[in-house]
Amino acid sequence: DAGVIQSPRHEVTEMGQEVTLRCKPISGHDYLFWYRQTMMRGLELLIYFNNNVPIDDSGMPEDRFSAKMPNASFSTLKIQPSEPRDSAVYFCASSGSENSGNTIYFGEGSWLTVV
Amino acid sequence: QQQVKQSPQSLIVQKGGISIINCAYENTAFDYFPWYQQFPGKGPALLIAIRPDVSEKKEGRFTISFNKSAKQFSLHIMDSQPGDSATYFCAASIKTGFQKLVFGTGTRLLVSP
Repeated sequence: DAGVIQSPRHEVTEMGQEVTLRCKPISGHDYLFWYRQTMMRGLELLIYFNNNVPIDDSGMPEDRFSAKMPNASFSTLKIQPSEPRDSAVYFCASSGSENSGNTIYFGEGSWLTVV
Repeated sequence: QQQVKQSPQSLIVQKGGISIINCAYENTAFDYFPWYQQFPGKGPALLIAIRPDVSEKKEGRFTISFNKSAKQFSLHIMDSQPGDSATYFCAASIKTGFQKLVFGTGTRLLVSP
């Protein structure tokens, strides 16, 4: 099992640029989550999908953030335009409601720095 | 009501000692309480979890103690090892909404050799 795979692992970009983070969930999992981790706010749930459908995006900070899941094995989180306050670690996570109970499996994160 | 309060923020324990991290919650609808362990540069990983129908759960050196009436739960790490040095997060969710885990603020544990 390869686990949740995220790319890029590190991204440094200039303010105003578009950033796209990518995620491949664990095969067979039907839930996909995007989290953001910062020192100030800790771990925050941004959005989650069930069977590729966005269920709850109430954690998305503003319209500059968008997430898509075109198929069961791929999701993107896009920030456009990026701002320095978006600097954080973004985690993708997945869960299989039938096979793994409530366990949410996290990827290793995408470290974003906006300068 | 959705918060989970975690303490201490950081903890230094000598090798072989007991590490204790505490969490408290307000929402009585919470019924799933996991602990996640995060090493530097890695994502959080589930360590151990408990439901409120038991007061204690033990897995190896890790034990969760749960006090439903006080709305508190804690993680005990027995015989702490340098390899346990990591950040620990408590979390909680409701039965019908496991997807929306509410995380504590984290405890950075350092186990000195």
